[in-house]
Order: sequence, then C-alpha cells, then structure tokens
Amino acid sequence: SYALTQPPSVSVAPGETARITCGGNFIGSKGVNWYQQKPGLAPVLVISDDGDRPSRIRGRFSGSEAGNTASLTITRVEAGDEADYYCQVWDSSADIGVFGGGTRLTVL
Amino acid sequence: QVQLVESGGGVVQPGGSLRLSCATSGFNFKNYGMHWVRQAPGKGLEWVSFIHYDGEKKYYADFVKGRFTVSKDRSQNILYLDMSGLRPDDTALYYCAKGDGYCISGICSRWLGPWGQGTLVTVSS
Repeated sequence: SYALTQPPSVSVAPGETARITCGGNFIGSKGVNWYQQKPGLAPVLVISDDGDRPSRIRGRFSGSEAGNTASLTITRVEAGDEADYYCQVWDSSADIGVFGGGTRLTVL
Repeated sequence: QVQLVESGGGVVQPGGSLRLSCATSGFNFKNYGMHWVRQAPGKGLEWVSFIHYDGEKKYYADFVKGRFTVSKDRSQNILYLDMSGLRPDDTALYYCAKGDGYCISGICSRWLGPWGQGTLVTVSS
C-alpha cells in the first residue's frame, strides 16, 4: 500500500524558515495536501493540491515538490506555528486516503 | 460558515457496535463528498472512509472494510459512520471532514477541510 514518510520532528528559531518534507513514490503525480494540528484541536488544511493556499491561511505557508519529495515551507516562523503537520494524498489506484506520520514543529 | 459537529461516541465493549453522526451546515451537503478520519490517543491521523457527494460510491481503509459503513442523509445534511465488530485498536477520536477535490481521467486529487471537533470512541471491556 502507498506510504508517505515524514520526519518526526523539525526545530527552528523564530523568524527563520521551516521546511517539512513528505516522501512517497511518484508523489509528483499526486496532489499533496498539508494540515496543521495544534494540541487539543482539529486539523486545519493549510495547503491543498501541492501549492494552493486556502483564503484564511497566511502567505507564509507554501507547498512544493521535487522528485519523490513534497515540502511544506513556513517562512518567518512564529511561536504560534508550533504544531503537528501532516501531509496527505489520495491514492487513486486503491481509492483510499493516505496520511504521513506527522511532523512536530518546535519553535525554539 | 461551514460547521461540522460529530456525536455518538462513547465506551463500547469489544465486538460491539456504535453509530457516529456528523451534523453539517453552512454548505450544500448534497454537492460534496465527505470523509471520516480517526486519531488514536497520542498518535497520528488515519484516514477511515470517503463517500461520494451522491452517496453512490464509498471507499474504506482496509482495517475497517466489512466492519464500518458510511452513509449520507442528504435530506437532513447528516453524515453517518456505522461501526460494528469494534476492537480495542479502534479506540480513537473520530473526525468528519468536508471533502473537496477533482478527478481527471480517473486520477483524483482529494483534500479535507474543514473538520469537525471529533467524537471519542473507546473500545474496552
């Protein structure tokens, strides 16, 4: 079955740029979506279909792909960005949704 | 604004059954597919099921296939998840989420949002 691989944790200082990766076979052929989940709250979609940003999400969040890796980039990181981040794709060959294991972003 | 409110969670014995509901408002429920996703305590997100906008096609994760059934009441704007044969490893917070996306020549891109606040299912004797 299709699998997505994320690093368990990423740490960054305030004001710096955070990059969270998501690896998967032929991920470039799939639309990658990213979700932010803060403690005790439901996930929130921050990037859809590789790079589209919902209207309520700030411009500091962006998505990209290269090879077998998708990335979520957060510029000018703030303390409020501290959260778990999950990538997700739809596997059309099996008609199932797939989430990565999640990455905890720590703002130092 | 879009609102999704799950209910129906609780404590159930192994082998038991439960029906989860997701009451929706703020969007045209008839026009959107819907997802269920779960999160075990302290763990990551796990996709469970998707139902097409018209209720005609339903997809399930392997670990719930044959035990869980998703359905939509398009007149009441409510999404359901009927769960049977529950196991301790089904213990999780269950979220419903509005689906969005598109398909081109059978290849689909689907994403989830917004999400409800979740309802907790605990399977224990």
